[in-house]
Amino acid sequence: DGGITQSPKYLFRKEGQNVTLSCEQNLNHDAMYWYRQDPGQGLRLIYYSQIVNDFQKGDIAEGYSVSREKKESFPLTVTSAQKNPTAFYLCASSFRTGGDTQYFGPGTRLTVL
Amino acid sequence: SQQGEEDPQALSIQEGENATMNCSYKTSINNLQWYRQNSGRGLVHLILIRSNEREKHSGRLRVTLDTSKKSSSLLITASRAADTASYFCATGLTGGGNKLTFGTGTQLKVEL
Repeated sequence: DGGITQSPKYLFRKEGQNVTLSCEQNLNHDAMYWYRQDPGQGLRLIYYSQIVNDFQKGDIAEGYSVSREKKESFPLTVTSAQKNPTAFYLCASSFRTGGDTQYFGPGTRLTVL
Repeated sequence: SQQGEEDPQALSIQEGENATMNCSYKTSINNLQWYRQNSGRGLVHLILIRSNEREKHSGRLRVTLDTSKKSSSLLITASRAADTASYFCATGLTGGGNKLTFGTGTQLKVEL
C-alpha cells in the first residue's frame, strides 16, 4: 500500500524542548517537503529536498532543521529557537520533474505547552 | 510569502448548486494546481493546469486559467455535502523547480 505517512498524529511538548516529526514515503519520490499550516491559513514552506543528502530552506526555515539521509525519509526537528511552534505540520513528496503534483501525509498537530 | 489569494474566503451553498472559487497570483507560473483539504487532514490533489492550457475538466471539476489576468477558477458542479472542505490553489513558478506556493484557501460548506 503506497503512500506517505507522518507520525505521531498529535504531539505535545513543553516549551524549550526540541521535537522531531517523522515523515516516510514509499512512492519512490525524489522530492520531499515540509509545510506549516496555522488556523485558517494556507501552507507555508519550511524546508524541501530534491535529492538525498541535499535540502534547501523554504520561506520560514528559522527554528527548524531537517535531514535527508534516505530517499524514503525526511524528518523535521522543531527546535527551541522556533518562537511559535504550535501548528499543524504537513509533509509532502513528489517526483523531481517540474510541475508534478505533491502527495501529502495526514499531518502532525504539534502543541507546545 | 503567499503567491495565491483565493476568493471568496468562505462559501456556503445548498447541495446540487454549483460552487465557484477564484485564485489570483502575482508572478509568472509554470502550472497551477488545486488541492482539497478536509478539516484536520492532509491535502489531496484535484487537478493541475499548465500555463499553456486554458481549461481542464475532471469529473465534476472544471478549472480555467487566464495567464493574462493571472487568475484561475475552480468550478464544482452539482455539489454534494461531501464536497465540504477547504480548497487551495498552488502555483508552480517558472524556474522554481518543483516548489509550490499555496494560497490562503476557500472554505466551502455544502448544506443538505
